[in-house]
Amino acid sequence: EVQLVESGGGSVQPGESLRLSCVVSGLRFGIQWMSWVRQAPGKGLEWVANIGADGSGYYADSVKGRFTFTRDNVKNSVFLQMNSLRVEDTAIYFCATLHYFGLNYWGQGIPVTVSS
Amino acid sequence: QSALTQPPSASGSPGQSVVISCTGTSSDIGGYNYVSWYQQHPGKAPKLLISEVNKRPSGVPDRFSGSKSGNTASLTVTGLQTDDEADYYCTSYTHFNNLIFGGGTKLTVL
Repeated sequence: EVQLVESGGGSVQPGESLRLSCVVSGLRFGIQWMSWVRQAPGKGLEWVANIGADGSGYYADSVKGRFTFTRDNVKNSVFLQMNSLRVEDTAIYFCATLHYFGLNYWGQGIPVTVSS
Repeated sequence: QSALTQPPSASGSPGQSVVISCTGTSSDIGGYNYVSWYQQHPGKAPKLLISEVNKRPSGVPDRFSGSKSGNTASLTVTGLQTDDEADYYCTSYTHFNNLIFGGGTKLTVL
């Protein structure tokens, strides 16, 4: 069974940083592309970032330059370092596996609140 | 880049069929066969229904089907059931290994 478990969310003030983690089990993690998707309260889904098997990151314009997506293939984990957080970054953040650009397995989501 | 365009709402009665559209451009839907559809019930994570325009993952009922014509993709749900009431989202691959989502469609089963 494939499982994704996110952690690291919380409440911060604008300008501060947070690091989200996602541990993956049940598949060959080292060759797996991964994604982060977020959902602001009462809003739709928004793609945030992808990471390839080689560690190359791809980002939405809204987070480019502020967020960094990395992976640790030994720990079967991905990480989203979020710097210079803004109020508009408030959302539930989901980690997901990416297969032929379909998001086939999802975590349960982790809330991030940015508020002064 | 603007989100893909979906109707905000759709509805149908149990047993009926409904089609949800998703319109993009030649830079996303029209340019690649990497359109996916997701179902999201309130408070839950999304679930993949369709990938690569028309492929159903194992376990997804064949009542759900996908298609594409030009810059518009469509999700068809036949034999509507009460549990189909949910939000539905489309995505497409776009340039430089990016993804783009639709704004979502709230499906009501009357």
